[in-house]
Amino acid sequence: NAGVMQNPRHLVRRRGQEARLRCSPMKGHSHVYWYRQLPEEGLKFMVYLQKENIIDESGMPKERFSAEFPKEGPSILRIQQVVRGDSAAYFCASSPPDRGNEQFFGPGTRLTVL
Amino acid sequence: DQQVKQNSPSLSVQEGRISILNCDYTNSMFDYFLWYKKYPAEGPTFLISISSIKDKNEDGRFTVFLNKSAKHLSLHIVPSQPGDSAVYFCAASVEGGSEKLVFGKGTKLTVNP
Repeated sequence: NAGVMQNPRHLVRRRGQEARLRCSPMKGHSHVYWYRQLPEEGLKFMVYLQKENIIDESGMPKERFSAEFPKEGPSILRIQQVVRGDSAAYFCASSPPDRGNEQFFGPGTRLTVL
Repeated sequence: DQQVKQNSPSLSVQEGRISILNCDYTNSMFDYFLWYKKYPAEGPTFLISISSIKDKNEDGRFTVFLNKSAKHLSLHIVPSQPGDSAVYFCAASVEGGSEKLVFGKGTKLTVNP
């Protein structure tokens, strides 16, 4: 039973480029969460999605960041025109539909902006 | 505003002894609490959780205690093993809410052989 998968594991972008981070939830999980961890900090909630719906995006920066979880395929976190401050580890978690508190995390994508 | 606080950035204990990691929270709406363990370059791994209707939950060497009046929880690991060396994160959520987890900054535990 594969866990939550994220790719790429490492991503390097220059300022102004776009970053696309992918997350495939565990089998049977229909809820996806994205978190960001800055150096020396805890994980900070960004967005909570179900298939084709954004449920809570209260942690998403208002500009340049977007997320989707289409009917088919992985969830995508997209960062446009990246800046150095976007450098962080981005973690995806998934949960079963009736147990949202039981979130299982992927290995993360480490984004470095040069 | 830090709603979940882990005031000890690091903790060092001897193998075989008890490790106690502490966590405080400020939001009285939180009613579900979790501990995650994280190794470098990996995602957090779920360890143990507790609902606010309980004051203790035990799973093998790991026990979580919740003191609602003090808004405080702790994770006890006994006996501690070198493989327990990792960063431990406390997290909280509101059941029936948007399910988002609010994390503390973590405590780095080192268990010395």
